[in-house]
Amino acid sequence: NAGVTQTPKFQVLKTGQSMTLQCAQDMNHNSMYWYRQDPGMGLRLIYYSASEGTTDKGEVPNGYNVSRLNKREFSLRLESAAPSQTSVYFCASSEQGVTQYFGPGTRLLVL
Amino acid sequence: QKEVEQNSGPLSVPEGAIASLNCTYSDRGSQSFFWYRQYSGKSPELIMFIYSNGDKEDGRFTAQLNKASQYVSLLIRDSQPSDSATYLCAVLTGGSNYKLTFGKGTLLTVNP
Repeated sequence: NAGVTQTPKFQVLKTGQSMTLQCAQDMNHNSMYWYRQDPGMGLRLIYYSASEGTTDKGEVPNGYNVSRLNKREFSLRLESAAPSQTSVYFCASSEQGVTQYFGPGTRLLVL
Repeated sequence: QKEVEQNSGPLSVPEGAIASLNCTYSDRGSQSFFWYRQYSGKSPELIMFIYSNGDKEDGRFTAQLNKASQYVSLLIRDSQPSDSATYLCAVLTGGSNYKLTFGKGTLLTVNP
């Protein structure tokens, strides 16, 4: 039982490049989330998926897109990376209204 | 805007002392409250959650909730150096079954 897994662990991009962050969970949770964490800013919700087939914007969605591929997988795409998107990205999953479990994170540096 | 406020710290306590971490929230409709611990370079992990007014104890940890004052706290008894981490308060805000709002966290340092 791996819980929540994320790939890659670390990525360096140049401004304007695109990439997709992958997230998968094996806990049969309905809800999945993408957060970014910046120094002094705490965890901020980018997008979430309450259940398979639905996605909604969070607090900071600009510059990102998501896909809920199936119940297990929820990906985050940066179409044209900007230095302001340098951050640590966490994926999480939960049953509605209950504890969110976090993946190990992806550290992204945009030059 | 729904807000969750925490003192950023750092909070420094000697080994064996009680560490007290505080959190206030703005949304009176908030239903559930969570405390996460995050070690440097790691992901957040759940310590405790609390739904009802009063105290909830789990080992060395006690969560306290006062909905009238919109205040939730975490007490760590017999603090150990291994408790040194950032503690995040999270609130399941009213009207949402899915979204947590996080505070910015309090850095706790336990000195041997």
